[in-house]
Amino acid sequence: QTVVTQEPSFSVSPGGTVTLTCALSSGSVSTSYHPSWYQQTPGQIPRTLMYRTNVRSAGVPDRFTGSILGNKAALTITGAQADDESDYYCALYMGSGIWVFGGGTKLTVL
Amino acid sequence: EVQLVQSGTEVKKPGDSLKISCQGSGDSFTNHWIAWVRRMPGKGLEWMGIIYLRDSDTRYSPSFQGQVTISADKSISSAYLQWNSLKASDSAMYYCATKTPGEYFQHWGQGTLVSVSS
Repeated sequence: QTVVTQEPSFSVSPGGTVTLTCALSSGSVSTSYHPSWYQQTPGQIPRTLMYRTNVRSAGVPDRFTGSILGNKAALTITGAQADDESDYYCALYMGSGIWVFGGGTKLTVL
Repeated sequence: EVQLVQSGTEVKKPGDSLKISCQGSGDSFTNHWIAWVRRMPGKGLEWMGIIYLRDSDTRYSPSFQGQVTISADKSISSAYLQWNSLKASDSAMYYCATKTPGEYFQHWGQGTLVSVSS
């Protein structure tokens, strides 16, 4: 069964830059997997940040950038702010109408 | 603008059956695929499965195949997630979300909290 792996946790200083990644248990992540990224803070519904690797969802600031870095999908936050402290999830499309979410990264801004 | 409204909190006992709902509104809503996503306490998001409202074409994550049933009623723009015999481990928040042609989940329901305890 396919496993999608993310860093369990990450810490960034206010104003700093952090890159979260999304890897496959076997093989490389490419644009063919249509990587998307979601943000969820406690008590809130998930918010769609990024889709098709690097397209920002409406209202998402341009300090969020999506890319493929090596064999992984990546979400880079530039100029981190306190309200970026949240859980971040990637999702990959496996084909045949099946998606898999990564385990999520808990981002701390301090 | 698409909006998804989910049914309310459920408190059940092990062995009970349950069907929760997700009703959508907005332009051409029956042309949407609706996914179900689980978030267990202290855990991450898990993709459970997806259904096409127009013809009820359904796909399941291997992890959830046989454990739940996803169904739909296009006449009322609703998707459902059903259990025949709940377990304590089914306690979680369940979200529905629309899938776009860009292969991502765009609009999210407010979530349905399911609590299963004896």
